[in-house]
Amino acid sequence: DARVTQTPRHKVTEMGQEVTMRCQPILGHNTVFWYRQTMMQGLELLAYFRNRAPLDDSGMPKDRFSAEMPDATLATLKIQPSEPRDSAVYFCASGLGGPGDSPLHFGNGTRLTVT
Amino acid sequence: RKEVEQDPGPFNVPEGATVAFNCTYSNSASQSFFWYRQDCRKEPKLLMSVYSSGNEDGRFTAQLNRASQYISLLIRDSKLSDSATYLCVVSTIQGAQKLVFGQGTRLTINP
Repeated sequence: DARVTQTPRHKVTEMGQEVTMRCQPILGHNTVFWYRQTMMQGLELLAYFRNRAPLDDSGMPKDRFSAEMPDATLATLKIQPSEPRDSAVYFCASGLGGPGDSPLHFGNGTRLTVT
Repeated sequence: RKEVEQDPGPFNVPEGATVAFNCTYSNSASQSFFWYRQDCRKEPKLLMSVYSSGNEDGRFTAQLNRASQYISLLIRDSKLSDSATYLCVVSTIQGAQKLVFGQGTRLTINP
């Protein structure tokens, strides 16, 4: 059963440190999304890619966050420098873009705590 | 105003009861609609898509009202395993799958 793989599962870091989260989408999926989930805000879209090209990153704080897809099997989300308010669960999801709008498959998430 | 709004609950209902959730969306150009389910400390998973004519999957029925811009989910004969958070999801760009999630409605089924 194909799955989206995210690493690390948990990350605790101090304010000011760089954080890198990685995602391996399901093979063959051409759309990748990064979401952040907190109790207060729910699931917020940070960025998404189609065929490795960034389509929308308007939900992402540009001064500290960056998202890339170096190749079709890897997506990264970096925070530099991290702040306590970045503490959240970060989900990566992949899917197949197209007229049918197939469902998204989510990874297990990275639970980030910034102290 | 949030793009997708849901009653956060929590809903606490006895096993076997019927429960319904509603969700409203603000973008009249929205094309695709879904219900996702999220268990505690787990990732969201697709429960069902919502079609214009309404659709049913076992004990679950989803309805879409485009004129009023709301979506509903009905769960009949609820089971303990139905306890979860139910997320209303709207796609705002056809084909590009930009999915916007509601805050979720938390449901607890009591024995």
